[in-house]
Amino acid sequence: QVQLQESGPGLVKPSETLSLTCTVSGAAISSYYWSWIRQPPGEGLEWIGYISDSGSTNYNPSLKSRVTISVDTSKNQCSLKLSSVTAADTAVYYCARHYVSYSFDYWGQGTLVTVSS
Amino acid sequence: DIVMTQSPDSLAVSLGERATIDCKSSQSVLYSSDNKNYLAWFQQKPGQPPKLIIYWASIRESGVPDRFSGSGSGTDFTLTISSLQAEDVAVYYCQQYYGTPYTFGQGTKLEIK
Repeated sequence: QVQLQESGPGLVKPSETLSLTCTVSGAAISSYYWSWIRQPPGEGLEWIGYISDSGSTNYNPSLKSRVTISVDTSKNQCSLKLSSVTAADTAVYYCARHYVSYSFDYWGQGTLVTVSS
Repeated sequence: DIVMTQSPDSLAVSLGERATIDCKSSQSVLYSSDNKNYLAWFQQKPGQPPKLIIYWASIRESGVPDRFSGSGSGTDFTLTISSLQAEDVAVYYCQQYYGTPYTFGQGTKLEIK
């Protein structure tokens, strides 16, 4: 079965770069789209961006200047980097699988990232 | 951006009764080329990731009980739970995948009356 697992530091200092990895099992990472989605504590869901099966990326304009999403096909992993973080970036970060014309069918459990000095 | 607006923000329904959640998009999410509405519904329980329950506005994801149904087209959509069960207590989100940035509704919290 398809499983996604996010990992990375749970605490990041303001102005630094948040770096997370999503390890995928049960599906070839090069065959699907992979999105990052975040949810501030007690709030709703915000799509951050995706990387496609061909390696092209698409980012939310609200975060575009600070976001980089990449894949490592040898490790079947997808990564998120968010630079110049502030307290407003504190959230649970999810990775999710989808495809063109389809919504997010598999999600990781999410990882809480707190931005604080 | 396509703005998704859900109503109500919260809802309390008795066990066995019908629950209805509405979702309105600021522009149509009906793709003319395939006549599909690019609208999904998710269920999120505390401490868990969202779970896809409906896609293309009315197609139940595999394994989702048939008491869940989705309807609507264009800009107006509805999620209906025909007979509320205790395990349906959750926050429900609609989401459009017609275009980027993908956007979600603000969520509707469903509780037992």
